[in-house]
Amino acid sequence: RKEVEQDPGPFNVPEGATVAFNCTYSNSASQSFFWYRQDCRKEPKLLMSVYSSGNEDGRFTAQLNRASQYISLLIRDSKLSDSATYLCVVAAGGGGFKTIFGAGTRLFVKA
Amino acid sequence: SQTIHQWPATLVQPVGSPLSLECTVEGTSNPNLYWYRQAAGRGLQLLFYSVGIGQISSEVPQNLSASRPQDRQFILSSKKLLLSDSGFYLCAWSGLSTTSTEAFFGQGTRLTVV
Repeated sequence: RKEVEQDPGPFNVPEGATVAFNCTYSNSASQSFFWYRQDCRKEPKLLMSVYSSGNEDGRFTAQLNRASQYISLLIRDSKLSDSATYLCVVAAGGGGFKTIFGAGTRLFVKA
Repeated sequence: SQTIHQWPATLVQPVGSPLSLECTVEGTSNPNLYWYRQAAGRGLQLLFYSVGIGQISSEVPQNLSASRPQDRQFILSSKKLLLSDSGFYLCAWSGLSTTSTEAFFGQGTRLTVV
């Protein structure tokens, strides 16, 4: 089983749609969780951290379910500029804080 | 502020030639350092990570190696490149505390082995 798993997509949605991505992780000792965004042929960049209580940043909402070991990202009112690959990221503890990236979910928002 | 430098940006190398990619971090001490590879249309694959000078953990058996000769320097090497080594190589760093484990990436090296 992969340490971090995501549905690769692609998700094709119209502008204004709401889209949700899920991600599961295998290491129950994982301590930090993030969503990154990667545009084509660019390096990944942090979109938002994911907190146990859930957190929202504008149109983006991230949630963490430690019991089920999954993370979600909800995008409301999708924009064309949201088209990108979204990477789920998990950092495990154990003295090294190894950071593991999911393979990413591709999103295409169409006019 | 912290910055990460990775070079070169693009590289075309023949099969069997050696490789050396360098990454340096500024503005932080004792970072965790990572090398990832992303094949065309694929996700990020963790190749190596390092928690300190001379400490390298390898995630995937391959013909690549990594070294960390200085606290903020991470080098990816190969003695003989294979066609399958083509891809987008990303260096990244993260902090050690529970509140600073997000990873920051260099701009990447696009390697084409021909």
